[in-house]
Amino acid sequence: DAGVIQSPRHEVTEMGQEVTLRCKPISGHNSLFWYRQTMMRGLELLIYFNNNVPIDDSGMPEDRFSAKMPNASFSTLKIQPSEPRDSAVYFCASTQGQDYNSPLHFGNGTRLTVT
Amino acid sequence: KQEVTQIPAALSVPEGENLVLNCSFTDSAIYNLQWFRQDPGKGLTSLLLIQSSQREQTSGRLNASLDKSSGRSTLYIAASQPGDSATYLCAARDGPHLFGNEKLTFGTGTRLTIIP
Repeated sequence: DAGVIQSPRHEVTEMGQEVTLRCKPISGHNSLFWYRQTMMRGLELLIYFNNNVPIDDSGMPEDRFSAKMPNASFSTLKIQPSEPRDSAVYFCASTQGQDYNSPLHFGNGTRLTVT
Repeated sequence: KQEVTQIPAALSVPEGENLVLNCSFTDSAIYNLQWFRQDPGKGLTSLLLIQSSQREQTSGRLNASLDKSSGRSTLYIAASQPGDSATYLCAARDGPHLFGNEKLTFGTGTRLTIIP
């Protein structure tokens, strides 16, 4: 079991550029979550998918953020255009959906720096 | 809105000591309370999950307790080791229940350092 795989591990970009973060969930997990972690705000849920369908995107900060899950093994989080305040660590996590006692498995995150 | 607080933000103890990490939550109507560990530059690893009907859960040297009425949970670590150094986060899972973990509210964590 390779765990949740995120890429890239680090991303440095200039303000205004498009950023795409990628995630491969654990095989067989049908729920996928995108979180953002900062010192000021801690862990924030941005959006989650169940069976590849976005269920709740109310945590997405604004229209510059978008997420897709074209199939069960791949998801992307895109920021366009990026701003310095988007600098954070972005985590993807997956779990068995419907079992609310199933543990959440996190990837190692993508550290995004927008200059 | 659920709020989860962890105090202190940082804790240092000598190796071998037993220690307790604290977690408090404002809304007692939770489905479960989870404890995670986060190592520097890594994601979170699930340690223990206490269901709302349970009082405690144990895994090795770790014991987590839950008191819903007072809105508190504790994580007890016995015979601490340098490898236990990490940030520990708790998360309360609210309802209503649709899927597994979409209603998790995380605390900001306690950074634990075990001094050899």
